[in-house]
Amino acid sequence: DTGVSQDPRHKITKRGQNVTFRCDPISEHNRLYWYRQTLGQGPEFLTYFQNEAQLEKSRLLSDRFSAERPKGSFSTLEIQRTEQGDSAMYLCASRVSDMNTEAFFGQGTRLTVV
Amino acid sequence: RKEVEQDPGPFNVPEGATVAFNCTYSNSASQSFFWYRQDCRKEPKLLMSVYSSGNEDGRFTAQLNRASQYISLLIRDSKLSDSATYLCVVNRPGGYQKVTFGTGTKLQVIP
Repeated sequence: DTGVSQDPRHKITKRGQNVTFRCDPISEHNRLYWYRQTLGQGPEFLTYFQNEAQLEKSRLLSDRFSAERPKGSFSTLEIQRTEQGDSAMYLCASRVSDMNTEAFFGQGTRLTVV
Repeated sequence: RKEVEQDPGPFNVPEGATVAFNCTYSNSASQSFFWYRQDCRKEPKLLMSVYSSGNEDGRFTAQLNRASQYISLLIRDSKLSDSATYLCVVNRPGGYQKVTFGTGTKLQVIP
């Protein structure tokens, strides 16, 4: 499978726990995006990487959220001290440098904080 | 003002009807535009790119109006399988090349 893959697909965690999600983009894609989506809303931008550099972070990304892309390939998104409001679908997308090309999405990680 | 705005709907239309969605964007320097389709609890998937000259793919037609800063999607002869949420996507120019989504327009095609 040469698409974007995300792991895990589902995660249930207790409030206050830390969670980490992984995204493996399409191999030749140097741009990687993280989004959060709640029911009835479009994907909300969280952060963006060009290769290993994190170039932009949304105001939505509180201090409890951190993302990395250490070697410019896979990326991780960590949420510390989870809250119930963090329950959402976390989507990863990647694309090539040409901004006239579309982004390809992974199937997402659905987080439920109980 | 949001960077990308869409009417959330829902649009409930009978099979065979023609339906159109608009999406407005606030950054006049935005360079590329797309429509994505998202089925319930699935990831967004590209439906079509939107070119300056407009483009058509079967029953789907996309248009771009740079002067008024909106894009549109027209679906002719609606099918039950067209029921989904349609997301407008705008690529912002510049070094960061942020990809911004609208909230989506929900379409329900009724038998």
